[in-house]
Amino acid sequence: NAGVMQNPRHLVRRRGQEARLRCSPMKGHSHVYWYRQLPEEGLKFMVYLQKENIIDESGMPKERFSAEFPKEGPSILRIQQVVRGDSAAYFCASSPDRGSISEQFFGPGTRLTVL
Amino acid sequence: KNQVEQSPQSLIILEGKNCTLQCNYTVSPFSNLRWYKQDTGRGPVSLTIMTFSENTKSNGRYTATLDADTKQSSLHITASQLSDSASYICVVSATGGSYIPTFGRGTSLIVHP
Repeated sequence: NAGVMQNPRHLVRRRGQEARLRCSPMKGHSHVYWYRQLPEEGLKFMVYLQKENIIDESGMPKERFSAEFPKEGPSILRIQQVVRGDSAAYFCASSPDRGSISEQFFGPGTRLTVL
Repeated sequence: KNQVEQSPQSLIILEGKNCTLQCNYTVSPFSNLRWYKQDTGRGPVSLTIMTFSENTKSNGRYTATLDADTKQSSLHITASQLSDSASYICVVSATGGSYIPTFGRGTSLIVHP
């Protein structure tokens, strides 16, 4: 059973371009979480999705950021018109259900660098 | 506001020595507390989970304790190894709501030979 997959592992974009980060959850998991981690900082929650639904996007900036988790295919975190401050590691996690006791399994992360 | 504070921020120890990392939280109502290990350049991996009724949990050389009354937890590492060098993150979940856990900023541990 493959773990959480994220791609690309490294992404370089120039200011103003779009960044698309993909996350394939573990098999059987229908809950996906996205986090952002700045150097020397802790993980910051961005958005929580279930198949075809956004459950909680309270940590995601209202502008330029969007996320989806379609019925088929990976979850996508999309950042439009990237700025230097978007440079960070973005982690995706998945869980089999919604309960607070449910463990989140993390992917290896995508490191975004904005030039 | 739910918060998780970890100390120390960083720690350097010699291989073979023991160490203890601390976590204080104000998350309420409390559901569970996890310790994660995050190697450099990797995603976090769960080490232990404790619920309200548990006050100690071991995973090999890692032993976590929980005092739900004082809202404190510790992670004790015994006979440290070079591979223990990593960031250790305390994560606390509350019951209800969307079940988004609260993450501490982590303790960066470096084990020197």
